Amino acid sequence: GAVVSQHPSWVICKSGTSVKIECRSLDFQATTMFWYRQFPKQSLMLMATSNEGSKATYEQGVEKDKFLINHASLTLSTLTVTSAHPEDSSFYICSARDLAGTNTGELFFGEGSRLTVL
Amino acid sequence: GQQVMQIPQYQHVQEGEDFTTYCNSSTTLSNIQWYKQRPGGHPVFLIQLVKSGEVKKQKRLTFQFGEAKKNSSLHITATQTTDVGTYFCAGPGAGGTSYGKLTFGQGTILTVHP
Repeated sequence: GAVVSQHPSWVICKSGTSVKIECRSLDFQATTMFWYRQFPKQSLMLMATSNEGSKATYEQGVEKDKFLINHASLTLSTLTVTSAHPEDSSFYICSARDLAGTNTGELFFGEGSRLTVL
Repeated sequence: GQQVMQIPQYQHVQEGEDFTTYCNSSTTLSNIQWYKQRPGGHPVFLIQLVKSGEVKKQKRLTFQFGEAKKNSSLHITATQTTDVGTYFCAGPGAGGTSYGKLTFGQGTILTVHP
């Protein structure tokens, strides 16, 4: 199946700093990628839809100035958590669909990035 | 907006026992997908159901889609320790399947005691 790679897997940062997370589709092109946030033992909450070459679409309640998304190419989307605070600590996961593949519309997820803000 | 409710939240079983998780939607779904997330891992696609009343099997896993396409279930026969993880159902979000957006259920955390 298609592969989505996410980096870094773990990141610890000081409060007030910014952190960038990369999401790459390794063997397919993704015009759309999705960023999710997951708290321990909870479900995946969609934060935003990343659109190649255009602005991201944010879900209600997600601050677009806080969570900057850039989708500059068909294989790379980045999520930057700006001025991070301890409440931003979470597991961030990206996903994408391989529209050219033979799959049935499944989402392929990256390995996730665990952010800890001190 | 669309909500996908999943129960139970937790399920603890002895190895060899069966396990079932249920998913209900507030609206009719064009399709439903199931994912498994191992502890510390990321969600991995299991299956997609599209047709009303559809039943699909993957070895010990049986997936069902309700006649009204508003509910679904995942049943595992004779659980093994390798079945441990969180099972999520997911339905299409706004814009439908072609848009790619999914709404996930709360997930069922399965633990299997050897």
